[in-house]
Amino acid sequence: GENVEQHPSTLSVQEGDSAVIKCTYSDSASNYFPWYKQELGKGPQLIIDIRSNVGEKKDQRIAVTLNKTAKHFSLHITETQPEDSAVYFCAASKRDDKIIFGKGTRLHILP
Amino acid sequence: DAGVIQSPRHEVTEMGQEVTLRCKPISGHNSLFWYRQTMMRGLELLIYFNNNVPIDDSGMPEDRFSAKMPNASFSTLKIQPSEPRDSAVYFCASTLGNEQFFGPGTRLTVL
Repeated sequence: GENVEQHPSTLSVQEGDSAVIKCTYSDSASNYFPWYKQELGKGPQLIIDIRSNVGEKKDQRIAVTLNKTAKHFSLHITETQPEDSAVYFCAASKRDDKIIFGKGTRLHILP
Repeated sequence: DAGVIQSPRHEVTEMGQEVTLRCKPISGHNSLFWYRQTMMRGLELLIYFNNNVPIDDSGMPEDRFSAKMPNASFSTLKIQPSEPRDSAVYFCASTLGNEQFFGPGTRLTVL
């Protein structure tokens, strides 16, 4: 079955700097890669996703990249702000199948 | 839309008691997922339904756990009898296609 590895488990960056979280997946049939942000006391919230027919997608300060050959995908947050502090999860799935989540990255934005 | 609704938001019970967690998915979504989140184990998929039918319950820890989805707008997760190691946050999520949306979670404490 699918296995998603996520790194790092904890990341601290200075406010205004960029943050990058990387994930790998094992099942070449996976074609959908969402990213979730979980704030304290809340459920994970979908913030951006990318499908296998696209290499990059951007939404304001957030971008995701996908390398299908290497089975890597990454989340990039630019100009980080205090409200970006949260736990971020990457995930992978095939059509109409369950979503497999990474273990999460705790992002700290330092003032 | 109000999003995925879960109740109760917090539950404190004593070991041996029956616990029932409830979920109302987003209207029109055809899949429903139950997850458990702890610091030690992260986000674990317990069971999911497609069109009210259980598809994969391999994540259900043991026979003390059961889940039902009697109709498209309601699901329950029951633990009987509850044990202290069941203490966790339980999330329900609903999906249309690939996009998955989480509820706010139920924080369960078993004393």
